[in-house]
Amino acid sequence: EVQLVESGGGLVQPGGSLRLSCAASRFTFSNYWMSWVRQAPGKGLEWVASIKQDGSEKHYVDSVKGRFTISRDNAKNSLYLQMNSLRAEDTAVYYCARGGWHFDLWGRGTLVTVSS
Amino acid sequence: EIVLTQSPATLSLSPGERATLSCGASQSVSSSYLAWYQQKPGLAPRLLIYDASSRATGIPDRFSGSGSGTDFTLTISRLEPEDFAVYYCQQYGSSPRTFGQGTKLEIK
Repeated sequence: EVQLVESGGGLVQPGGSLRLSCAASRFTFSNYWMSWVRQAPGKGLEWVASIKQDGSEKHYVDSVKGRFTISRDNAKNSLYLQMNSLRAEDTAVYYCARGGWHFDLWGRGTLVTVSS
Repeated sequence: EIVLTQSPATLSLSPGERATLSCGASQSVSSSYLAWYQQKPGLAPRLLIYDASSRATGIPDRFSGSGSGTDFTLTISRLEPEDFAVYYCQQYGSSPRTFGQGTKLEIK
């Protein structure tokens, strides 16, 4: 089955760091732009970042620029999100999604909670 | 940044009825780069429509999208019980990609 599986979420203090991972299976990962989209508890969806197939182009929403870094390892069929200087407003379920503009495959998400 | 406003916030209908969901953009969406997603509680969103009117793989033909410029519509021709969910529009014609706030489609 074609799928994306996120991991790495958890509870972190404000100012802390966390690295999310996304494992892709049963499709040619290296052929696709990949993205992270988040959803705060009880709220709507917010695009966070996207990365080109070869990692040469990356886009970020303004609120995470300079704090979050998207990366990928095509040999491991994996997508990553390094999150530094975390804030309470970064609390959300983080979804890995296939695509750079619209998103045709989503993982089940991993919850990140930023709280002291 | 393009702001998307979805209406109504909540739509109460019965199975078998027709649903019409609207998405208005604060600026023209380039090349009709607009998508619609369905999200059920506790689950990830599912892509329904992209490029304003193209159905994603496996999506039933009771779902259709239309519109251009600043006004877009998702129509569900005849509601099935599994269609009751939250629906989001998303534009990807300009960065940042942005989503609407969602329309909750509930059973009347």
